[in-house]
Amino acid sequence: NAGVTQTPKFQVLKTGQSMTLQCAQDMNHNSMYWYRQDPGMGLRLIYYSASEGTTDKGEVPNGYNVSRLNKREFSLRLESAAPSQTSVYFCASSVTHLAGGELFFGEGSRLTVL
Amino acid sequence: DAKTTQPPSMDCAEGRAANLPCNHSTISGNEYVYWYRQIHSQGPQYIIHGLKNNETNEMASLIITEDRKSSTLILPHATLRDTAVYYCIEGDYKLSFGAGTTVTVRA
Repeated sequence: NAGVTQTPKFQVLKTGQSMTLQCAQDMNHNSMYWYRQDPGMGLRLIYYSASEGTTDKGEVPNGYNVSRLNKREFSLRLESAAPSQTSVYFCASSVTHLAGGELFFGEGSRLTVL
Repeated sequence: DAKTTQPPSMDCAEGRAANLPCNHSTISGNEYVYWYRQIHSQGPQYIIHGLKNNETNEMASLIITEDRKSSTLILPHATLRDTAVYYCIEGDYKLSFGAGTTVTVRA
């Protein structure tokens, strides 16, 4: 069972470069999320998609854009990467965005911006 | 910023129960208490959640005080594989994780 799959797992960028992190889930979940985790810290919500066709900002959306391509896929784009965006990025999904749901996480994408 | 307060670390003996406290004094009536854990740098893993009542599943038990301002996660028989960072979160579905409690289970 694949669950939530993130690509790439590792990436090094130079300041100003752009890139897209891809996330796909095979659990037929309606809601998807992007988090970032800085060293020694907890996870902070960047963007989420309650359902296909909708996206909303989380706690730390600046510098990011997202696309809910279809029910399975939710991508995170960095248009002009900055060293402050060096982090581990986690994608998650849940059956519904309603309270009380369990989040299923991917294994993370480790991004370094030089 | 995270709205819960957890001790930064705790140790536990293998085979004993581990009791992890959490304060969530600002929780509102429709917000749940969630517990997740993160082993090494893997993606967080769901453990349990509750609203008002105590909850139990195959992994753990969750005890929520009557005023809902604090809770305790109980791992009944800790093993070395339970060594992880444990996150207590209050919220609806837009969850943000604080620094958590680093739990070390010792043989």
